Amino acid sequence: AQKITQTQPGMFVQEKEAVTLDCTYDTSDPSYGLFWYKQPSSGEMIFLIYQGSYDQQNATEGRYSLNFQKARKSANLVISASQLGDSAMYFCAMSPQRRALTFGSGTRLQVQP
Amino acid sequence: DVKVTQSSRYLVKRTGEKVFLECVQDMDHENMFWYRQDPGLGLRLIYFSYDVKMKEKGDIPEGYSVSREKKERFSLILESASTNQTSMYLCASRNRDRGSNKETQYFGPGTRLLVL
Repeated sequence: AQKITQTQPGMFVQEKEAVTLDCTYDTSDPSYGLFWYKQPSSGEMIFLIYQGSYDQQNATEGRYSLNFQKARKSANLVISASQLGDSAMYFCAMSPQRRALTFGSGTRLQVQP
Repeated sequence: DVKVTQSSRYLVKRTGEKVFLECVQDMDHENMFWYRQDPGLGLRLIYFSYDVKMKEKGDIPEGYSVSREKKERFSLILESASTNQTSMYLCASRNRDRGSNKETQYFGPGTRLLVL
């Protein structure tokens, strides 16, 4: 069974600053994927970034990067140069290959002007 | 542009009604999923499908069924709607790029269902 832990229920960050959202996971599968999603108040789940367990390099997508530390089983999301539009819930998720995702409880990020 | 669409954004039904939620993806993905999201309970998997006519139960399949007759369409059926099925329903489709090995899973906009 997989488990995802997001220990920060809420975070504040000043506009233009960087912020790190924490995610740790637990799995016995040797191969798995890690995902981050953004959910604004409208409710849609927006795919942000993916990291495969065998990827040597940390994934990056624009202002998003994933700080993957396999030995520590952590997959933190880093958002650089925060914008007001980044205010939302953020979910970390993982799954073995092709299986359904298991989600964390989420972190609510608020970007302050 | 990637597209997962759901038949309704908002739906109001009465207890006992049969409810159909439809999800369509245009990415030729094999894997499709139905989740529900509730405050304090997070996202929970109802059913998923790896291919046409294939389906597997998720964590909370009771009271639901699914249909996948075509690759692009995955329907969730509430056989007899009950008030505890009031929720946000999210459909997703998933793929692995064989060249890069990168996986992507995209969600539809969600359906907020209210059962009275």
